Amino acid sequence: DAKTTQPNSMESNEEEPVHLPCNHSTISGTDYIHWYRQLPSQGPEYVIHGLTSNVNNRMASLAIAEDRKSSTLILHRATLRDAAVYYCILSGGNQFYFGTGTSLTVIP
Amino acid sequence: GAVVSQHPSRVICKSGTSVKIECRSLDFQATTMFWYRQFPKKSLMLMATSNEGSKATYEQGVEKDKFLINHASLTLSTLTVTSAHPEDSSFYICSARDGNTGELFFGEGSRLTVL
Repeated sequence: DAKTTQPNSMESNEEEPVHLPCNHSTISGTDYIHWYRQLPSQGPEYVIHGLTSNVNNRMASLAIAEDRKSSTLILHRATLRDAAVYYCILSGGNQFYFGTGTSLTVIP
Repeated sequence: GAVVSQHPSRVICKSGTSVKIECRSLDFQATTMFWYRQFPKKSLMLMATSNEGSKATYEQGVEKDKFLINHASLTLSTLTVTSAHPEDSSFYICSARDGNTGELFFGEGSRLTVL
């Protein structure tokens, strides 16, 4: 029950902004939108989360559509260390179900 | 930040043996812990949800008698893979939810190889 759709892969040039989209058309009113990223052979790392308003932290920004049916994770300046699989997850109930994620490649 | 620790990080065992993986929340009390399995180049698949002091809730298709989960305290959950077979070889990842903030933190993962 992933409930989110993301592109399988994206590429970005180093030091350029990256916009990672996520569709969640069946989102309910109580679902938070979470983003995690995972490097090979490591556990997922928290990136950001939000409910309705756009959010900013030191790692990224999260832009949430007004109807909440989609969101975009924004990395303002991609670095080589940002190369990872990025997962967009909804959590309203107790469980976190992962979708397929987007594999981000950063080109030097 | 909050830390979730898994042990062991890697384990190799013979077919038919049982393997226990521990998941600890180091600086917060985890009312709920989750266990995931991840095959190469695939996403994380939720196996079960465990709440402290109660039986785990397993996802459809996950054998509860094969994957024993114990969540005896607010800082420790264990996953035991019983009578392991080569097809159980995978990357097992736990996560813990902070009972106060609701945030979810993941462990580093445990790679199981069954020969």
